[in-house]
Amino acid sequence: QKEVEQNSGPLSVPEGAIASLNCTYSDRGSQSFFWYRQYSGKSPELIMSIYSNGDKEDGRFTAQLNKASQYVSLLIRDSQPSDSATYLCAGGNNRLAFGKGNQVVVIP
Amino acid sequence: SQTIHQWPATLVQPVGSPLSLECTVEGTSNPNLYWYRQAAGRGLQLLFYSVGIGQISSEVPQNLSASRPQDRQFILSSKKLLLSDSGFYLCAWTQSGTGNNSPLHFGNGTRLTVT
Repeated sequence: QKEVEQNSGPLSVPEGAIASLNCTYSDRGSQSFFWYRQYSGKSPELIMSIYSNGDKEDGRFTAQLNKASQYVSLLIRDSQPSDSATYLCAGGNNRLAFGKGNQVVVIP
Repeated sequence: SQTIHQWPATLVQPVGSPLSLECTVEGTSNPNLYWYRQAAGRGLQLLFYSVGIGQISSEVPQNLSASRPQDRQFILSSKKLLLSDSGFYLCAWTQSGTGNNSPLHFGNGTRLTVT
């Protein structure tokens, strides 16, 4: 089992809708989780960090962490075409592991 | 504020040629430094990390090597490139002493094409 998994395929959402991304992790000792946004041809950019159970909101982004179920999610409200990118989930215990990413396409 | 510089941005090299990619961090001391590779359509693969000058840990055996000659300088090298070395190489740093509680900050990356 991979340390961090993002299994959903490309996600297409209409402009103004909510995009929902999920990520699961295998190491129960993991304490910190991060979401990165990566535009095509660019390097990953940190958009959210979450360390405790519950929700964390930052502008149009909300990260949710459920340690009992070992999943992390990212919600993007009022999706904009500029949100079209690949979103990487990262977390870990001894070493930070990355999921393969989910591509989000926001349709105007 | 901290910044990370990585160069070159793109590189096309023939098979069998050497490689040297450089990364420097400004605005912090004794950072943890990392080299990742991202192949087309694949996830991020950790290649090397360093917690201090001269301290290099390798995650994946391959024909690449890394060195840290100065506190904020990290170099990725190869004596002879293979076709499979093509990819997007990313340098990253984190604050030292924070374990995995500190996020990685990436440089702009080097796109390497081996022909």
